[in-house]
This record gives sequence, C-alpha cells and structure tokens, in this order.
Amino acid sequence: KQEVTQIPAALSVPEGENLVLNCSFTDSAIYNLQWFRQDPGKGLTSLLLIQSSQREQTSGRLNASLDKSSGRSTLYIAASQPGDSATYLCAVTQGGSEKLVFGKGTKLTVNP
Amino acid sequence: EAQVTQNPRYLITVTGKKLTVTCSQNMNHEYMSWYRQDPGLGLRQIYYSMNVEVTDKGDVPEGYKVSRKEKRNFPLILESPSPNQTSLYFCASSLGWGQGEDEQYFGPGTRLTVT
Repeated sequence: KQEVTQIPAALSVPEGENLVLNCSFTDSAIYNLQWFRQDPGKGLTSLLLIQSSQREQTSGRLNASLDKSSGRSTLYIAASQPGDSATYLCAVTQGGSEKLVFGKGTKLTVNP
Repeated sequence: EAQVTQNPRYLITVTGKKLTVTCSQNMNHEYMSWYRQDPGLGLRQIYYSMNVEVTDKGDVPEGYKVSRKEKRNFPLILESPSPNQTSLYFCASSLGWGQGEDEQYFGPGTRLTVT
C-alpha cells in the first residue's frame, strides 16, 4: 500500500529565506506527483505536476524535483514571502489505479 | 471562469437525516472524486468517477453514496449521517486519468457537522 510522508510537519522561516519541503513515497510505481497549496479553510490549489518521466518542474519561485527510484520529491521555494504561508501537500498518482494518495502536509510560516 | 463548485459550503445536521452535497465542474472533465480531510489523517479519497455512469470506491467509502448521471455533476450522498462523518469534504476533477491529464482542480470545500 502506497504511503506518502512529508517532513517536517511544520516549518517557520524568516522572510527571504530559500527553503526545501520534502515528500517521500514507498512505492515507486507512480504516474506522477503533484504539489498543492492549501490556505486555512480553503481548497487545494495545484502548484506543480511532475510526470514520472520528468525530473523537475518550475513555476516562478517554485521548483519541484522528482527522484522516482528513491521515492523522493522536493519542493524548493526561493526568496520566501509571508504570502507563501500555507500548508503544502504532495500527492502521488498510483500506477495501476485511479487513486491519488496524499501526504499529511507541511505547514509553512514565513515571518516578516 | 474554470472552476469546481460545491454546495453547501457549511452544513450542520443531525444524525440520520439524509443529505446531499453537490459538486459541479465547468471544464468538461472526465475524472471526478470526493475526499474528506480530518486532522491527523490528512486527505482520504471516498469515491471517484472515471466518466458518466462509472464510479468506484476510494479508501473510505462506508456511509457514502455517489452518482454520475451527467459529466459535470458528482453529488455526494449521506443516507444516514453519523457524528463520525463530521469532516471537511472536497470535490476534485481532472481532464482525465493518466497520459498527463491528471492535474487536479479542487472545490472550496464543505464543512459538515453531524450532531
């Protein structure tokens, strides 16, 4: 059974710092991996989608990498801002099924 | 505007009173799904649908029903709600499944309280 783990559960950084969020998964047979952002009381917003054949995706200050063989992904946020404060979730699309398996998220706080 | 809508956004009900949470998307997506989010447990899939009239169970389907009679709508039905179904519910959709069509679009959530 696929398990997705995100470490740390919470992270607090000063504004302007570059940071890395980690996601690991136990079964490397995935179609893709997605990173989402969730603001308190709100829905999820897709940030980046990496296909299993890709190594990384970039969008603005965000860069996500995928190492499928080792079961790891990282989300790099450059020059963090208070507006980046949110919970970040990763999810994998499990090969051979039509299911998305989520990690429990990392709650990020960027202090002014 | 491309979006997934859910109604109601907030609902307080009593045990055993049947309720329906609606979900609608305007992007002509084939894949739709329902999740519940609970503290410490994260997001768990309840049901999903690959297309009209095609639905299947997720990880926590007990106590829920769904239907997919039209491509745009995917209602979640609780026939006899119980307090353990108190949760935050999300509907999501994607263009397809696999082949790079998996980017998920989420609705704003429905906070359900069953007393």
